[in-house]
Amino acid sequence: DGGITQSPKYLFRKEGQNVTLSCEQNLNHDAMYWYRQDPGQGLRLIYYSQIVNDFQKGDIAEGYSVSREKKESFPLTVTSAQKNPTAFYLCASTWGGLSNEQFFGPGTRLTVL
Amino acid sequence: QKEVEQNSGPLSVPEGAIASLNCTYSDRGSQSFFWYRQYSGKSPELIMFIYSNGDKEDGRFTAQLNKASQYVSLLIRDSQPSDSATYLCAARSGNTPLVFGKGTRLSVIA
Repeated sequence: DGGITQSPKYLFRKEGQNVTLSCEQNLNHDAMYWYRQDPGQGLRLIYYSQIVNDFQKGDIAEGYSVSREKKESFPLTVTSAQKNPTAFYLCASTWGGLSNEQFFGPGTRLTVL
Repeated sequence: QKEVEQNSGPLSVPEGAIASLNCTYSDRGSQSFFWYRQYSGKSPELIMFIYSNGDKEDGRFTAQLNKASQYVSLLIRDSQPSDSATYLCAARSGNTPLVFGKGTRLSVIA
């Protein structure tokens, strides 16, 4: 089955710890994205990558880091510098072209204890 | 600042009625527009995209685009309780990331 997988589904972190959220896609999509969603809010872009070994900051990149060493993988690290990390994290990918349909993974719910 | 605006709702419609969801965007350079449905606790799923002025129909869903007015809408015919969800509108210009609205919560009453 083609698609986007995220793991884990739920993640609990103690304050001061770094955690890494996994995102893998087998759709052969070039571009990948990380969003954060807070209750009752829309999606806010954290980082995105349009090609391997390159990525750009989104609107709320502070306290986060990413890497894009392989086309199919785009992990997100939530660092201890992120003051309010509790949120629903969504990974997405896009193939290209005018329609540029963007598909989402199932998400990771991060809770800081 | 590129913005996409949606009424947060909730929009309540009776079962079988037409639900009309609206969205405006600020960037005149936006070329393609997307509607996503998001159930509570789940990730968004793509319903439709549109990039030409006019209407685009897919089953019970119709997307409408008016670039002169910078306005996009989604009509859901014969609304069902299972359509109750939050609907996200998004716009893109060129190869830049999608800009999302905050979503409209739709409630279909049986």
